[in-house]
Amino acid sequence: EAGVAQSPRYKIIEKRQSVAFWCNPISGHATLYWYQQILGQGPKLLIQFQNNGVVDDSQLPKDRFSAERLKGVDSTLKIQPAKLEDSAVYLCASSLWDNYGYTFGSGTRLTVV
Amino acid sequence: AQKVTQAQTEISVVEKEDVTLDCVYETRDTTYYLFWYKQPPSGELVFLIRRNSFDEQNEISGRYSWNFQKSTSSFNFTITASQVVDSAVYFCALSEAGYSTLTFGKGTMLLVSP
Repeated sequence: EAGVAQSPRYKIIEKRQSVAFWCNPISGHATLYWYQQILGQGPKLLIQFQNNGVVDDSQLPKDRFSAERLKGVDSTLKIQPAKLEDSAVYLCASSLWDNYGYTFGSGTRLTVV
Repeated sequence: AQKVTQAQTEISVVEKEDVTLDCVYETRDTTYYLFWYKQPPSGELVFLIRRNSFDEQNEISGRYSWNFQKSTSSFNFTITASQVVDSAVYFCALSEAGYSTLTFGKGTMLLVSP
């Protein structure tokens, strides 16, 4: 089966610019997650969707980050405006019920200069 | 609050040596899930194992084995006869029942030299 698809693979932007990342989960996976992984650390959850509804966005910096999951499939994560500390790998993951089949995409490496 | 500790930041071994990666977790729940992921230099997180809190049987998959001990809140990972391709960062993670969010440790970088 196809894995979790993410694009772009790499992105370099200047601070205060905006950027968007795209994710397509494994077919049939109702739950989708965005994680942020800063260099040298483990991934940290930003937002979790169940179908097209938000389950947990408690750690999402809502003043600059936004995410949507239209029609319960693809998802987009946006940062506007970006800060230097947003430099990280943004990982998308999807799972079946009860976190079975938890699978991560290859990630988007963002560098803010 | 849940927490995962991987005290070993970096481990270096020579090929064919056995190596154990430690993972200690904290949770107040009696039902939870533990995971191990491998992150090679390419960056993707590769799923290795998912274990629920009611299954304390050790598991072996080829050169990989896992030792789950609830008494010490540990879920350690052993690679037998390590190979250069095992070089990666390994993450232990925890998910409490009813919540599918994963809480990750900081990871252990394993370097296997020829």
